[in-house]
Order: sequence, then C-alpha cells, then structure tokens
Amino acid sequence: AQSVAQPEDQVNVAEGNPLTVKCTYSVSGNPYLFWYVQYPNRGLQFLLKYITGDNLVKGSYGFEAEFNKSQTSFHLKKPSALVSDSALYFCAVRDGGSQGNLIFGKGTKLSVKP
Amino acid sequence: GAGVSQTPSNKVTEKGKYVELRCDPISGHTALYWYRQSLGQGPEFLIYFQGTGAADDSGLPNDRFFAVRPEGSVSTLKIQRTERGDSAVYLCASSPGLGNTGELFFGEGSRLTVL
Repeated sequence: AQSVAQPEDQVNVAEGNPLTVKCTYSVSGNPYLFWYVQYPNRGLQFLLKYITGDNLVKGSYGFEAEFNKSQTSFHLKKPSALVSDSALYFCAVRDGGSQGNLIFGKGTKLSVKP
Repeated sequence: GAGVSQTPSNKVTEKGKYVELRCDPISGHTALYWYRQSLGQGPEFLIYFQGTGAADDSGLPNDRFFAVRPEGSVSTLKIQRTERGDSAVYLCASSPGLGNTGELFFGEGSRLTVL
C-alpha cells in the first residue's frame, strides 16, 4: 500500500531564512512524487514533481525538492523564505506503475514571520 | 474553461437530505478524481474516472456516496441521507489521463456543511 508521512504539523521560519518541509513515502514500485500548496479557502496548486532523472527538482515560486531513494524522502526546500510562502503544503505519491490516484500526506502548515 | 470548476462553492444542508456536487474538468482531460478534505487533514481519495467509467471507487466510504460521469466530461458526486460526519470540502481534480505522469489539476472545492 502507498503512504505518505509529513512528520511536522507546523514549521516556523523567519523571513529570509532557508526552509525545509519534510516528507517520507512508501510505495511498492517506482515513486512519482509531488508537492502541492494550499492557500486559505483555495484549491491545491501544483508546485513540483519528481518522476525520474535528476534527484533535485525545481518548481514554482523558487521551491525545490530532493528525491532520496535510500531514505525514501522527498523534502521540500527554499533557500530564502518569504512571508507570502505561508500556507499549507502537501506531499503526495503515486506508484509509477499505476494510472490511479495520488495519495496525500496530512499536510504541514508553514508560517513565515517577518 | 481554463481550470477545474466546482459548484456549488458552499452547501449547507440538514442531516438526512440528499446533496449533489458538480465538477467541470479542464477541457480534454479524460481522467477525473474526487477527494474529500476534512479540517486539518490531507485530501482523501474517493473515486477516479477514466472517461465515463469509474476506474477506482475504492475510496467511497459507503453506499450513500455515488458519482457519475455520463458523457466523460462533467461529473456529479451524489450523497444520500447526509450525516454530520460528511461535512468536509469536496475537491475535484482532472488530468490528461492515460500516459500522464500524474500531475492533477484541482478545483477550489465545494464546502459541504451538514447541520
């Protein structure tokens, strides 16, 4: 069975500092990994994905994520946080051998203070 | 339309009533998904359509929940005899379908409140 763990309910960062939001996954086949962001009262917006290739993937708004197969992790990172990055972040996984749905983590609330 | 459209954006109903939630996917997208998001939780998979047929309905919680997509475009999620525990935001997403590497495009959701 596929699963995603986001161990932190909330991450607090000062503006200008680097941020990391953690994600680990479990999938039987090759993982397709995703990060989505959700602003208050809005739908989920796609940030980035890892399918294959370079372990470091770059996405929207200066975010990047690193796929680590040995640690089954896909942590989201940004070198310099902005107050406007404050939102809910969701990690998701799908077994690359299937055409089905994404399995989401429970989310991490990112709070960036000025 | 340009994005996934969901109606209504908000629905308040009484326990025991019947509810329909509508999703209009991105034009040309053959795959359509329904998720449910409760407060403080991540989206929970309900059902996935490829064209007109339900390819996976394993996430539907019980037989009060049903979804259709008769022409392979618009989908309706139907909830019978609503219960207070059905209160949540119901999210719809679409994707280009077979061969796609999995990115889903989400609507803004329908917030259902059962009193």
